[in-house]
Amino acid sequence: GAVVSQHPSWVICKSGTSVKIECRSLDFQATTMFWYRQFPKQSLMLMATSNEGSKATYEQGVEKDKFLINHASLTLSTLTVTSAHPEDSSFYICSAESSGEETQYFGPGTRLLVL
Amino acid sequence: ILNVEQSPQSLHVQEGDSTNFTCSFPSSNFYALHWYRWETAKSPEALFVMTLNGDEKKKGRISATLNTKEGYSYLYIKGSQPEDSATYLCAFPTGTASKLTFGTGTRLQVTL
Repeated sequence: GAVVSQHPSWVICKSGTSVKIECRSLDFQATTMFWYRQFPKQSLMLMATSNEGSKATYEQGVEKDKFLINHASLTLSTLTVTSAHPEDSSFYICSAESSGEETQYFGPGTRLLVL
Repeated sequence: ILNVEQSPQSLHVQEGDSTNFTCSFPSSNFYALHWYRWETAKSPEALFVMTLNGDEKKKGRISATLNTKEGYSYLYIKGSQPEDSATYLCAFPTGTASKLTFGTGTRLQVTL
């Protein structure tokens, strides 16, 4: 139980294009989903928290117009990196949590390379 | 800025060895401490959520202890196996119970 999928697992795109990453909870309803980013040799850094049906809350320093988050249903959240640039190249990973649970369940992550 | 520190950064042991590593966190306003195991190309897997000072939790050959007064948690692996090779992460909630701050992890490699 508690499986989270993420798609795509890796993506290469040209500078200036937008990339959408999907995060799905497969066997539970995720009231809250989280998006993290990890740069090489650094820890997972929380980018934003999204609750189903409401606007995402972004961490300090994360541009909301750059990283669009949609959490339209209890099983799906999407992260769109708009007008991607090489400095956006990173590992993006989502997690999901159901109401009343303490544990976040993670997807396998998406590696983004912007050329 | 909240610091969650893990040591050592990496560890290389032989099959059958027992090992342990440390997670240090701020001792004030403690809520919970999470441990995850992250194998390459897989999703991080939740191991433990520790909440009480003096708590000890066990899952097979892996166990964890918690000292909230001094701000540390130990993860122990008894009789390491190659399948234990992974990065072990700890995380500490900040702000709200759900917002996790992660350490950089301890990368464990177990060889035959």
